[in-house]
Amino acid sequence: GDSVTQMEGPVTLSEEAFLTINCTYTATGYPSLFWYVQYPGEGLQLLLKATKADDKGSNKGFEATYRKETTSFHLEKGSVQVSDSAVYFCALVGGGATNKLIFGTGTLLAVQP
Amino acid sequence: DVKVTQSSRYLVKRTGEKVFLECVQDMDHENMFWYRQDPGLGLRLIYFSYDVKMKEKGDIPEGYSVSREKKERFSLILESASTNQTSMYLCASSLSRGLVEKLFFGSGTQLSVL
Repeated sequence: GDSVTQMEGPVTLSEEAFLTINCTYTATGYPSLFWYVQYPGEGLQLLLKATKADDKGSNKGFEATYRKETTSFHLEKGSVQVSDSAVYFCALVGGGATNKLIFGTGTLLAVQP
Repeated sequence: DVKVTQSSRYLVKRTGEKVFLECVQDMDHENMFWYRQDPGLGLRLIYFSYDVKMKEKGDIPEGYSVSREKKERFSLILESASTNQTSMYLCASSLSRGLVEKLFFGSGTQLSVL
């Protein structure tokens, strides 16, 4: 079935460092891809999305490009801040009839001043 | 902004108790979902509902049931709580059946079953 694989955390960075969180997927058809973020003590919220190959989703300085050839959707940010500390989830909605959001296991990011 | 409210932030129950987790959304969304979140396992879908009185099983429905008598309210029921149901429970909603990806989440209920 459809699935999402994320790099394991925690990822610990200093402020202003470059961030990459890897995400790869397995899906039939043409899925839509998403990154959700969960700040401490809160529910998840949608960060960005891409609905077709080569699309780039972006929001709050974060970017991710839908790469069909490598089945990847890596999250990047050029300069992280302490306020970016959170758990990041990669997710997909399959291109078939399932119509369900499938999440990866999440990656904890800790940014130190 | 959409608000999804879960009735309790922390809950402690004993094995065998019947447990009700309540969720209310205030934006007339059609879809509502219950997930559980466990370290190393991410979010797993328990049940979801596309309309009042409708429910569908997710990936891990065993030991759970749900109720949706009103559009804004979706309840998760643990008929007889067990220790392996200790987890963070997240409720979510989305506007319509064709927009399942833009979920709005509540803050979660951390349930401990002793």
